[in-house]
Amino acid sequence: ELKVEQNPLFLSMQEGKNYTIYCNYSTTSDRLYWYRQDPGKSLESLFVLLSNGAVKQEGRLMASLDTKARLSTLHITAAVHDLSATYFCAVDRRSRGDKIIFGKGTRLHILP
Amino acid sequence: DSGVTQTPKHLITATGQRVTLRCSPRSGDLSVYWYQQSLDQGLQFLIQYYNGEERAKGNILERFSAQQFPDLHSELNLSSLELGDSALYFCASSVVGSTGLAGGGTDTQYFGPGTRLTVL
Repeated sequence: ELKVEQNPLFLSMQEGKNYTIYCNYSTTSDRLYWYRQDPGKSLESLFVLLSNGAVKQEGRLMASLDTKARLSTLHITAAVHDLSATYFCAVDRRSRGDKIIFGKGTRLHILP
Repeated sequence: DSGVTQTPKHLITATGQRVTLRCSPRSGDLSVYWYQQSLDQGLQFLIQYYNGEERAKGNILERFSAQQFPDLHSELNLSSLELGDSALYFCASSVVGSTGLAGGGTDTQYFGPGTRLTVL
């Protein structure tokens, strides 16, 4: 069965610093998603990564996908307090008759 | 505001009961997805409908069922409720519905605000 592992699960960092969240998955997938969730709120789609080597950037966030390594990363550049949230990755295998599987999420706290 | 609406926002009920959650997708979106979020299970994909037809099934229990109506709104029915069914239930919608890469598009999903279900 597909497993999706995110690490770290908790991260506290200072404003201005860079950091990376990792998302490893155990078997071939078609798409990989990154989502953001603020406390008590719904989910917001950040990135959809389709192919090996895909890189997408939005503001201080950049996501990449290495399908050979079965690894996606979400890189935060010069973190600001507003980026404090929980970030989820999800692996999509629906085209293979499977489902979408989420990681446990990374709770990111950025100290002002 | 994502444009996806869900009702009710909160629902409190008793074990053994049945409830219906409703979702209206963004204008123009043909796909509707249902997700469950709980402390125990995390985020789980339940089911997807595309233009009225079931397209993909996830961890949806047999006690749960869903459908998408001709006007594209969707309902998730939860029956014989148990304490463990207490969770946030999110609906999302997207333009495309193809599960294959050939379907094209990035299938970006837009989430509703959720329904918080409490089973006592």
